[in-house]
Amino acid sequence: GAVVSQHPSWVICKSGTSVKIECRSLDFQATTMFWYRQFPKQSLMLMATSNEGSKATYEQGVEKDKFLINHASLTLSTLTVTSAHPEDSSFYICSASRGGKGSNQPQHFGDGTRLSIL
Amino acid sequence: QQQVKQSPQSLIVQKGGISIINCAYENTAFDYFPWYQQFPGKGPALLIAIRPDVSEKKEGRFTISFNKSAKQFSLHIMDSQPGDSATYFCAALRGSSNTGKLIFGQGTTLQVKP
Repeated sequence: GAVVSQHPSWVICKSGTSVKIECRSLDFQATTMFWYRQFPKQSLMLMATSNEGSKATYEQGVEKDKFLINHASLTLSTLTVTSAHPEDSSFYICSASRGGKGSNQPQHFGDGTRLSIL
Repeated sequence: QQQVKQSPQSLIVQKGGISIINCAYENTAFDYFPWYQQFPGKGPALLIAIRPDVSEKKEGRFTISFNKSAKQFSLHIMDSQPGDSATYFCAALRGSSNTGKLIFGQGTTLQVKP
């Protein structure tokens, strides 16, 4: 099946630090990648959708200057949490899809990044 | 109209029993309905999916039943095993859109007792 790799799996850093999370599709070209945030015992909350080579589309309430998303190639998207604070601590998950308008391509998820801000 | 409502929130089943999780949606434009399985500390994994032109899809011990008129679909896990203990999410997608955004249910935590 399709493999999506997310790195790092766990990061602890001090408040004010910027943290970059990578999401790679290893065996297919991902036209579209998605970034989610998940709090304990809750569902996935979509943060933004990114298409290769274009600006990400952010969901309402998500600060685009806080959560920088780059989708520079068909196999790599990055999420940078800038000037992270304790309230940004969460489980961040990416997914990748072959995408394309009118298609029902499934999303394949990475294993998430546990971010802890001290 | 964009919501997908999932129930129950949690479920305890004896080994060998049938686990049933239900989802309901409002938007009739949804045309792809996947189920995801998530273990603690891991990302969701696609389990099985169905399109509204069929009423049932079976893959091994997992079956999706789809009722288009009632706008409901459910996941049945036959012969439930302790290894099935996980959180399950239903989702819906409007394939004709160009966003590919999944709308997730609230999740069901399944515990299968030995």
